Amino acid sequence: DGGITQSPKYLFRKEGQNVTLSCEQNLNHDAMYWYRQDPGQGLRLIYYSQIVNDFQKGDIAEGYSVSREKKESFPLTVTSAQKNPTAFYLCASRQVGETQYFGPGTRLLVL
Amino acid sequence: AQSVAQPEDQVNVAEGNPLTVKCTYSVSGNPYLFWYVQYPNRGLQFLLKYITGDNLVKGSYGFEAEFNKSQTSFHLKKPSALVSDSALYFCAVREGSGTYKYIFGTGTRLKVLA
Repeated sequence: DGGITQSPKYLFRKEGQNVTLSCEQNLNHDAMYWYRQDPGQGLRLIYYSQIVNDFQKGDIAEGYSVSREKKESFPLTVTSAQKNPTAFYLCASRQVGETQYFGPGTRLLVL
Repeated sequence: AQSVAQPEDQVNVAEGNPLTVKCTYSVSGNPYLFWYVQYPNRGLQFLLKYITGDNLVKGSYGFEAEFNKSQTSFHLKKPSALVSDSALYFCAVREGSGTYKYIFGTGTRLKVLA
């Protein structure tokens, strides 16, 4: 899992609640990513950021929001508009080279 | 559009036998290809990549992969499987250097039987 940390490991969301997943990296990477993993569907891109104060929507951005105020941090908020949030969420980062490195993941469950 | 296919949901192999996990891709430019492994409730770990050069790429834990441009394939191989290799394997592709987006396959579960 390298120098990427995600917290918490497990997160529980109540109906109508917004929750925020943390992702921090100490690799000095410019680009950061958020993916959602569901069984049998592989990884789907939610948002990515190439540089501080800039981010782009991925394939499934609806119901999610992000910020990139610092190079090392890329938090993901799962809003109440996301009707099916139960999944395993993975953060990744990448520098000038081609390899993405992943954090350990956060499992989000709905109460 | 870019795409990646892993045609097998699960591969079973006996310990000590060679293993192959298949991956085919579709991109319009030069492909950058990757293999990752995931253990239960963990993030993805990088195994190896092909950017350019030798078609046979060697990676971590004794794994290797062969890039075949004519068949648009990038199969993962290991000469002798270990029980500890049992995990979920993902192939990913990125189209050239002009995009930040990676496309992942749906994953192949490898089960190595003792």
